[in-house]
Amino acid sequence: AQTVTQSQPEMSVQEAETVTLSCTYDTSESDYYLFWYKQPPSRQMILVIRQEAYKQQNATENRFSVNFQKAAKSFSLKISDSQLGDAAMYFCAYRSGGGSQGNLIFGKGTKLSVKP
Amino acid sequence: ETGVTQTPRHLVMGMTNKKSLKCEQHLGHNAMYWYKQSAKKPLELMFVYSLEERVENNSVPSRFSPECPNSSHLFLHLHTLQPEDSALYLCASSQDIGELRFFGPGTRLTVL
Repeated sequence: AQTVTQSQPEMSVQEAETVTLSCTYDTSESDYYLFWYKQPPSRQMILVIRQEAYKQQNATENRFSVNFQKAAKSFSLKISDSQLGDAAMYFCAYRSGGGSQGNLIFGKGTKLSVKP
Repeated sequence: ETGVTQTPRHLVMGMTNKKSLKCEQHLGHNAMYWYKQSAKKPLELMFVYSLEERVENNSVPSRFSPECPNSSHLFLHLHTLQPEDSALYLCASSQDIGELRFFGPGTRLTVL
């Protein structure tokens, strides 16, 4: 069975600085997708970024980028120029390539605080 | 807002009560999901509906009963719940060929 591990329950970053959130996963599959979701306090969870396992190039979305290390099964999220609105729970998630769109396996999350 | 709404936002119920959670989306998606988010635990997929047919049930206790009358609405009927069922219940929707991008705000359920 696949597992997703986020080893940092909480992280803190100064506004305008850069922070990296860690995620590792375990799978025997070669075809899969990885995601980062953001859940602000009392607000809806949104998809931040996704990575296809077959792509070597790291995904980027504005200030958000990932460091995808397939051999190491590592999928970290880097947030550049952190803003107060980035404060949230961040969840790393895995989905099999052949699985349904919603059958995601989530990590326990990392709570990110942004200091002004 | 993501276009997925859930009601009620908060619910307190006794173990003998029967209640229902409602989820609605008007995004034209054909798949809907129920997830359970408990404190200190990863999100757990409960049910998946595609084209109004249940396609996955991750061994959820029978005290949770889903219903999908059409592609825009999804219900979760609750009866004789246990205190450990207290959690945030999230609904989500997607198109078959897209990633799971749209979650509702959740219903915060407390079972006394």
